[in-house]
Parts: sequence; structure tokens; C-alpha cells
Amino acid sequence: GQQVMQIPQYQHVQEGEDFTTYCNSSTTLSNIQWYKQRPGGHPVFLIQLVKSGEVKKQKRLTFQFGEAKKNSSLHITATQTTDVGTYFCAGKGAQKLVFGQGTRLTINP
Amino acid sequence: EPEVTQTPSHQVTQMGQEVILRCVPISNHLYFYWYRQILGQKVEFLVSFYNNEISEKSEIFDDQFSVERPDGSNFTLKIRSTKLEDSAMYFCASKRWTSGDGTDTQYFGPGTRLTVL
Repeated sequence: GQQVMQIPQYQHVQEGEDFTTYCNSSTTLSNIQWYKQRPGGHPVFLIQLVKSGEVKKQKRLTFQFGEAKKNSSLHITATQTTDVGTYFCAGKGAQKLVFGQGTRLTINP
Repeated sequence: EPEVTQTPSHQVTQMGQEVILRCVPISNHLYFYWYRQILGQKVEFLVSFYNNEISEKSEIFDDQFSVERPDGSNFTLKIRSTKLEDSAMYFCASKRWTSGDGTDTQYFGPGTRLTVL
């Protein structure tokens, strides 16, 4: 079945440093979604990428979808303490979302 | 802003007991989902529901699980005979529609933490 791998599993940075998490699917995706989950919270939708090679920005966050629609990345520039949480990518199959394992971001103020 | 709600927030049950987890999706949404997340692990798809029937289910969603939309607003997940390994956070999600280019957004509820003793 479809598998979505995400690396790294953990990332600890100093506040102000950049952060990147990578996502790879075993199959071509119709779209990929990114979610953020704060400790003790629920996944909150961040963005969806649909087109091959698509790049979207949300303030300090940059999302990319690979040309083959099998990989994606999320890059945060100049992290802030509010960025703490686990970032999940989720690849869309027919109906279901297949989530990656998540990258847990912690930040030293 | 409308949101998905779930009750209870925490359910403790004995192994072998039946539990029903309740969700109220966003009112004009058409697609409904259940996911689970074992502590510290990734979110796992359980089942999707559209037009009053299951549209897709995972291998986790075996005969012990069932879903219902009994009254047009609630969406429930029933576990008939709970096992220790069913302990997890269960998230309900809903989505308005699926457009032709695949753009869609699922909105997650706050979750029900199920503890099986």
C-alpha cells in the first residue's frame, strides 16, 4: 500500500535558525497536505499542494511539491518559539490521507 | 468559525467493553473521517464516510469497528470489544467536498483520548 516517509523524526534548533522537513511517497500523489500539531493538540491544516513543482509561501513557511509529485518539503525561515510542534505531511490517495511519521520541532529560545 | 467537535474528550474503559466516540462535523460538510493516533506516533487513517456509507477503510478498521451517522449531525465510531492496543487518540475530521483538481481540506476535531485498561 501507499507509504509516506518523513525525515527527520526530530529537529532541535536555536530560535532564529531555519528548519526543513522532507516527505517522500512510495506512489505518485494527487496532492499533498501539511499539518501542524501542537503538543496535546490536534492536527491543524496548513496548506495543500496540487501541481507538479508547485511552491507556496505562508509568511516564513515555504512549501514545495516535487516535479514527480512524490516528494515535498516544508521550510521555515528564522524559527520562532511559536513554531514548536510536530509537522506532518499527508499524501492523498483516492479518499484517504496517508500521514508521514511527522517531524517534531523543538526550539531553544 | 465553524469547527468539528468531539465527545467525550477522554474515555476510560475496561478491556472487552464497547465504546462509542461521538463527533459533530461541520454542518455543510459531506465527507467524514476517523483517524487514530497512538501516543507519540503518526496519525493513521481508519475510515471515510460519504453519502451514508463507508467509502474507504484501512486494515485497522476490522469487524470490531463500525461507524454511523444516526441523525444527520452526529458521526459516531463504535468499538465493540475494546483491546488494550485500542488505546489512542481518536480524531474525527470532515471535509466539504472533493473538487475536480483534488483540492480539499480536512478539518480535524480536538480528539477523544481512549484509554483501555
